[in-house]
Amino acid sequence: NAGVTQTPKFQVLKTGQSMTLQCAQDMNHEYMSWYRQDPGMGLRLIHYSVGAGITDQGEVPNGYNVSRSTTEDFPLRLLSAAPSQTSVYFCASSPLTGPPQLTKNIQYFGAGTRLSVL
Amino acid sequence: TQLLEQSPQFLSIQEGENLTVYCNSSSVFSSLQWYRQEPGEGPVLLVTVVTGGEVKKLKRLTFQFGDARKDSSLHITAAQTGDTGLYLCPNDYKLSFGAGTTVTVRA
Repeated sequence: NAGVTQTPKFQVLKTGQSMTLQCAQDMNHEYMSWYRQDPGMGLRLIHYSVGAGITDQGEVPNGYNVSRSTTEDFPLRLLSAAPSQTSVYFCASSPLTGPPQLTKNIQYFGAGTRLSVL
Repeated sequence: TQLLEQSPQFLSIQEGENLTVYCNSSSVFSSLQWYRQEPGEGPVLLVTVVTGGEVKKLKRLTFQFGDARKDSSLHITAAQTGDTGLYLCPNDYKLSFGAGTTVTVRA
């Protein structure tokens, strides 16, 4: 029962470096999303996808890119890391089949990636 | 844009006490979920409520959805240290979460 798997669990970057946070789910969910969590700020949506080849911006998309080439994978790319991107990042997935008011809102989260940018 | 407010922001109680946290919205929810996030982990879904006035019980947790479907409460009876965590409700629009309520249950 893997669910949503995020790698790496921890990462330290220097300002200006690039990296990709990986997210994979094995539940055949159409909807996937990325959040960042900062103290006192809750979970803020970065990008989301409703299916392979379709992505859209959330609340805080600047500095991040995503792509969705398969149903299973939804990587998040930091193009040029900045200290403001120090955060805990969570990936989530959700089924889209079934009553919309129920399915899209039921999200399954990964364990998170803790990123520090120095 | 749906504006969410969760209250209180922080709550610290002794084991055995009861507690209630709230989620209020500026607009109607199509459905409402409560999640709990334990330290170092991702949020986990506790419950989904859909119908106005609905009450769901999950052991010591009671969830109530307001008649107008714009607010909800989560009541924990006889809290245990395992109830410690961040309690979250997402909004309908793009499924954003607010800061949630941080609950600490002291032994």
